[in-house]
Amino acid sequence: EAGVTQFPSHSVIEKGQTVTLRCDPISGHDNLYWYRRVMGKEIKFLLHFVKESKQDESGMPNNRFLAERTGGTYSTLKVQPAELEDSGVYFCASSQGNRYSYEQYFGPGTRLTVT
Amino acid sequence: AQSVAQPEDQVNVAEGNPLTVKCTYSVSGNPYLFWYVQYPNRGLQFLLKYITGDNLVKGSYGFEAEFNKSQTSFHLKKPSALVSDSALYFCAVRDRGYQKVTFGIGTKLQVIP
Repeated sequence: EAGVTQFPSHSVIEKGQTVTLRCDPISGHDNLYWYRRVMGKEIKFLLHFVKESKQDESGMPNNRFLAERTGGTYSTLKVQPAELEDSGVYFCASSQGNRYSYEQYFGPGTRLTVT
Repeated sequence: AQSVAQPEDQVNVAEGNPLTVKCTYSVSGNPYLFWYVQYPNRGLQFLLKYITGDNLVKGSYGFEAEFNKSQTSFHLKKPSALVSDSALYFCAVRDRGYQKVTFGIGTKLQVIP
């Protein structure tokens, strides 16, 4: 079974540019999450999808961040326009839809550097 | 609100010795607790979880963790450390009824040959 995949693995952009990160969850997983880790800090929750619906987006920093999950499969996270403080590693995770699946499975992350 | 504290930035242990990585948590209800490990240039890998029942839970690679409700702790342990255990370890908590997971800042484990 393929794990959670993320693309790209690394992105370097200039302040003011736009970047789109992609996450492909484990097949059949209804729950999809985005997290971010700024260097040296804790991993912070950004948002949670159940299928194509946003269940909780309380962790999204501001309106420069837009997440979508069209069709309930893969998800994209767009940052527009990027700021220096957006630099960090963005993790995607997925879990099954039933209540007995408690752990989330993480992808390798996308390292975003804004210069 | 829920939070996790990992009081040690780094833990050094000699190969073959027992290791402990500390974690305390705060959550309003009953917690689900997790440990994840991140090897260099890799994603987070699930190690073990506490949901209910026995306070001592066993996970991957010989790791175990003990849930202590009175001390609100969930320390990660291994009887005999390997050099290959060197990695970044994250403790995490989730309040029951919610999917949002809160992570600690991470503890770097260095096993010295």
